[in-house]
Amino acid sequence: DIVMTQSPDSLAVSLGERATINCKSSQSLLYSPNNKNYLGWYQQKPGQPPKVIVYWASTRESGVPDRFSGSGSGTDFTLTISSLQAEDVAVYYCHQYYSLPLTFGGGTKVEIK
Amino acid sequence: QVQLVESGGGVVQPGRSLRLSCAASGFTLRSYGMHWVRQAPGKGLEWVAVISYDGSNQEYGDSVKGRFTISRDNSKNTLYLQMNSLRAEDTAVYYCAKVPYRESYMYHFDNWGQGTLVTVSS
Repeated sequence: DIVMTQSPDSLAVSLGERATINCKSSQSLLYSPNNKNYLGWYQQKPGQPPKVIVYWASTRESGVPDRFSGSGSGTDFTLTISSLQAEDVAVYYCHQYYSLPLTFGGGTKVEIK
Repeated sequence: QVQLVESGGGVVQPGRSLRLSCAASGFTLRSYGMHWVRQAPGKGLEWVAVISYDGSNQEYGDSVKGRFTISRDNSKNTLYLQMNSLRAEDTAVYYCAKVPYRESYMYHFDNWGQGTLVTVSS
């Protein structure tokens, strides 16, 4: 199984400041034939289902504000919120869909400082 | 627009069975692979099972293999999860989730239902 390790578990950031979440996979998520990283990021607010914000490691989902960006390749990935807004308070999960069983990181709780 | 609505959750005793349903609308269910993902109270996300667009292939997480069965009725636009021999550790919100592309189910999830809570307790 591919183990997804997120860090930190939680972070508090001031409004307008940058938030950075890291995700490391135990195996490469890069599929060479199509040069795509099978890595997604989800945002989950209390009482709601997760919502995809980034897929293929760096493709922003339609409608997601451009302050969200994903980067990385292989085994190391990052989700960056360039200027934290109040509505970004949530838990963020990385997710590998490279191989079964699909696995998720443990989540990172983002709060306002 | 795409809508996924789960139902069938509730309180059940250990060892008993429960069947969850996921009613799909706003898209052609028969064209897409579908997944179940669960979330124990206050915990993270755990993938449960997947079924191919035509129902010919199913895969399961190790924690539910041999106890849960995923199925679909494309004529009713409905996905199912039959859960047998339930354990306390199966207590969770169960979500159905859709992938964005046809042909395969190895993609991210572009739509999720609101979830249905299953509580296994005596």
